[in-house]
Amino acid sequence: KAGVTQTPRYLIKTRGQQVTLSCSPISGHRSVSWYQQTPGQGLQFLFEYFSETQRNKGNFPGRFSGRQFSNSRSEMNVSTLELGDSALYLCASSLEIGASNGYTFGSGTRLTVV
Amino acid sequence: QKEVEQNSGPLSVPEGAIASLNCTYSDRGSQSFFWYRQYSGKSPELIMSIYSNGDKEDGRFTAQLNKASQYVSLLIRDSQPSDSATYLCAPGGRGSTLGRLYFGRGTQLTVWP
Repeated sequence: KAGVTQTPRYLIKTRGQQVTLSCSPISGHRSVSWYQQTPGQGLQFLFEYFSETQRNKGNFPGRFSGRQFSNSRSEMNVSTLELGDSALYLCASSLEIGASNGYTFGSGTRLTVV
Repeated sequence: QKEVEQNSGPLSVPEGAIASLNCTYSDRGSQSFFWYRQYSGKSPELIMSIYSNGDKEDGRFTAQLNKASQYVSLLIRDSQPSDSATYLCAPGGRGSTLGRLYFGRGTQLTVWP
């Protein structure tokens, strides 16, 4: 059974550019959430999608956005990149919202902003 | 802001010992609790979930939950060098935040041979 797939694995962007990250959940999983991980702040929640609708949003500026498609695949977009956006971006999927079997994480996308 | 506090570590134990990882949380209404293991340079991996007060055992791992004390712990028996990683405590959200996990900063565990 394939796990959560995130692409690309690594990305280097320049300040001011925008970036789109992709996440394909485990087959049958309908909930997809995104987290940012940095050494200074740890794991911080970005947003969660279920059935193509954003159900939750963390405390991030509007430059961070996302969407979910009908096949449950999700993308997140960061516009006007800042140096502080350099982080590991993790996607997690589950069968349902608040799934009792927990959330499975993908390998992440390492974003470096220069 | 819902807070999750973990023993800061790093925690260092010899091979074969019991490693005890602790976590307290601020939201008294939290109903689900997860422990994740994260190896350096890798993504978090779910190792235990617990929902009811008491103990839950899975192999060498035992999760303990005390909702009255807002405390959850993870015991690793017969610790192995391969258990060396950062362990993350993550209560789940509820109500309008049901799909969200609130992560602690993690406890770094080192098991030395």
